[in-house]
Amino acid sequence: DTAVSQTPKYLVTQMGNDKSIKCEQNLGHDTMYWYKQDSKKFLKIMFSYNNKELIINETVPNRFSPKSPDKAHLNLHINSLELGDSAVYFCASSLRLAPSRNEQFFGPGTRLTVL
Amino acid sequence: GENVEQHPSTLSVQEGDSAVIKCTYSDSASNYFPWYKQELGKGPQLIIDIRSNVGEKKDQRIAVTLNKTAKHFSLHITETQPEDSAVYFCAGGDSSYKLIFGSGTRLLVRP
Repeated sequence: DTAVSQTPKYLVTQMGNDKSIKCEQNLGHDTMYWYKQDSKKFLKIMFSYNNKELIINETVPNRFSPKSPDKAHLNLHINSLELGDSAVYFCASSLRLAPSRNEQFFGPGTRLTVL
Repeated sequence: GENVEQHPSTLSVQEGDSAVIKCTYSDSASNYFPWYKQELGKGPQLIIDIRSNVGEKKDQRIAVTLNKTAKHFSLHITETQPEDSAVYFCAGGDSSYKLIFGSGTRLLVRP
């Protein structure tokens, strides 16, 4: 299927642990994003990469570290997880850099629960 | 930076009625306004968008209008159906590299 995929879909972990979420897109897009959606459904951008280069870093704690091994993959590693990190994390991609000019395709989300 | 406000937060309509969701934006440089639909357990999906050189755009039962002077834009869904029930997000984008999303509207279409 042509899509943006994320793994895992659900992630339950203890405070203080380190975890990773993986994202892959097979749309041939240049740009990928990570969004956080909280319990009130607010959707906020965290990072974006264009051709493996970090473009946007939205005042996210440095416990969050994105990594883009190639332009089809953007992973998110989170160190020392906190209760407030519980949310749904969405990966997205767009054909080109400026999202204001390109449709963003979202993955199915990863629901992270920190206990 | 851009700030996008959206209302109402929840909207309940009878099947067949129309639904209207409104958004305002703050940055006059914004020139792109997409609307996304998020169904339960899924990621948001683009349903329609409008650019600042256009005042209105239609696609079957959905339409979007833009008033640049007042800095607001609206989503109109006519002849609503139960499958229209979802959370709808407006967003604003300028020449920078990000979209700013509104807070979402949960639409419930009652059969």
